[in-house]
Amino acid sequence: GQQVMQIPQYQHVQEGEDFTTYCNSSTTLSNIQWYKQRPGGHPVFLIQLVKSGEVKKQKRLTFQFGEAKKNSSLHITATQTTDVGTYFCAGRLSSNTGKLIFGQGTTLQVKP
Amino acid sequence: EAQVTQNPRYLITVTGKKLTVTCSQNMNHEYMSWYRQDPGLGLRQIYYSMNVEVTDKGDVPEGYKVSRKEKRNFPLILESPSPNQTSLYFCASSPFSRGTLNTGELFFGEGSRLTVL
Repeated sequence: GQQVMQIPQYQHVQEGEDFTTYCNSSTTLSNIQWYKQRPGGHPVFLIQLVKSGEVKKQKRLTFQFGEAKKNSSLHITATQTTDVGTYFCAGRLSSNTGKLIFGQGTTLQVKP
Repeated sequence: EAQVTQNPRYLITVTGKKLTVTCSQNMNHEYMSWYRQDPGLGLRQIYYSMNVEVTDKGDVPEGYKVSRKEKRNFPLILESPSPNQTSLYFCASSPFSRGTLNTGELFFGEGSRLTVL
């Protein structure tokens, strides 16, 4: 079936270092969303990307959607301890479907 | 306050004893969905509903039932729970509408941690 693969599964960084997580889909996506889940919490929506090659920024976070709409990345510049958590991508195959396929998530640990 | 409310938050039960996890949202969202979260597997969709009386299977529907008799509620039913259904369950709702490119962002409940012995 359709899959969205996310790497790496875990990442430990020193505070101030950069961090990137990648998602790859086996099929073309209509759009992709990103969520953050703090330890013990529930996922919280960060952003949605719709257009081929789209790049969006939220302060230190940069989100990209690939030209072929099959891959996406989240890059955090100069990580802080508040960035700790698990980051998930979620792809929608078409605008007509309610199915949202989540990646496995990348858990980020930040050492102060 | 806009929210998705799940109950119970924690439950320990035994194999075969039917249980229902309730989910209610107060945002008038048409779309609701259930996910289970297991270590290393991310969030897997169990069932979703695009509107009242309309439900569809997600990726892992086996062993689960749902109903959508009214817009705000979307209960998850485990008719005969088994140990492999031990998991963290999330209900979510969204303003998603079919055929549009609106954000369709998911609003998640706090989660229900279920243990089946």
